Parts: sequence; structure tokens; C-alpha cells
Amino acid sequence: GENVEQHPSTLSVQEGDSAVIKCTYSDSASNYFPWYKQELGKGPQLIIDIRSNVGEKKDQRIAVTLNKTAKHFSLHITETQPEDSAVYFCAAIPYSGGYQKVTFGIGTKLQVIP
Amino acid sequence: GAVVSQHPSWVICKSGTSVKIECRSLDFQATTMFWYRQFPKQSLMLMATSNEGSKATYEQGVEKDKFLINHASLTLSTLTVTSAHPEDSSFYICSARETTGLDTQYFGPGTRLTVL
Repeated sequence: GENVEQHPSTLSVQEGDSAVIKCTYSDSASNYFPWYKQELGKGPQLIIDIRSNVGEKKDQRIAVTLNKTAKHFSLHITETQPEDSAVYFCAAIPYSGGYQKVTFGIGTKLQVIP
Repeated sequence: GAVVSQHPSWVICKSGTSVKIECRSLDFQATTMFWYRQFPKQSLMLMATSNEGSKATYEQGVEKDKFLINHASLTLSTLTVTSAHPEDSSFYICSARETTGLDTQYFGPGTRLTVL
């Protein structure tokens, strides 16, 4: 099955700096890679996703890059703000049109220091 | 769009009682819904996949007789924790996948279950 490794497990940055979270996956059949943000006591919220036919995707201060050859993808947050503080999960999914199992990374706790 | 709700948001019950948690897709139809369990400071653990009109598919190690799942319509799935015990205390989260065939999953806000 798929195995997703995520690092770092914790990350502290000063407000305004950039934050980068990296994930690697093992199953070459995985072709969809969402990133979720989870605030304390809440469910995960999809913040950005990327599919295997694209190398990079950007949405305002958030960007995701994918290297299929190396089987790794990264989340980049620029100009961080205190409200970016949360736990971020990467995931890898082998989309097959039917049943799909999402394999999540262990999560990264991001703390943005004002 | 793509809002998923859960009810209740938190519940406290006595050991031995059963608790039902509802998961609803509010503005889309979901052929497939997923139930996760999350322990403090840990990632999400998939418990089962719920398909509308059919039996749920449980992950290895998850007791299907203890965690009853029903997906009676395209917008509602329920998880019933039967004869709950303190070790069942956890954060339960559902997610829903649109019937359009896209693979994006949208998560509910979660239900905090505390069994005394």
C-alpha cells in the first residue's frame, strides 16, 4: 500500500517568513495530492491540491509543487500570518474512478510567531 | 460550496450506551463517505468507507459490529458506536466525495466523543 512521509513534524516561523512542508510517497499509482489544514478541535479543510499532470499550482500565498520522478511534493506558504498556525496534512490518492483510500502524512504543526 | 456537516459536534455518554453520529453533505451528493478516527496529536485513521445503498467497507482491525455505518441516502451517512467504552473516546471525522467522479474529499467538522 501507499506510504506517505511528512516532515517536519513541527515548524515555527516568524510572521512574514515562508514555511515549507515536504512529503514523499511510495506508490507510483498515486496521482492526486491534496493538502489539508486542521485547526484545533475542527475537521481538516482542503486548502490546495495538485494532480500528477501538473508540476506546480499556486493560490495566493499558498503553492504546491510535485516531482513525480522523485515522488515528493511540497507545500509552500509565503508571507505567513498568525492565522496560518495549524496542523497541515499532506495526502496521496491513487484515483481510480471508484473506491479510493487516502493515505495521510503524520501532520506538521505550524506555529507562526507574531 | 462542498460543505459537510456533522452532528453532534460533541457528546458525552456513559459506558455501555450507544451513540449515533450523523454526517451530511449539504450542497452536493456524495456516493461515498468516509469515517475517520483521530487521536490527539495524531493523523487521521480511516475506519471505513460508506457507499450509498450498500454495506460499508471496514479497514483492517475495525470492528464492524461495534461501529455500525449506514449510508441511506446520497447526503447522509451515520456512524453508531455501540456499547461504547472509555477507549472509544476520540475525535470522529467524516468526509464525503462528490458523485461527479472527482476525487476531492471534503471533511466535516468532527465529533468529539467522551465515554465516561
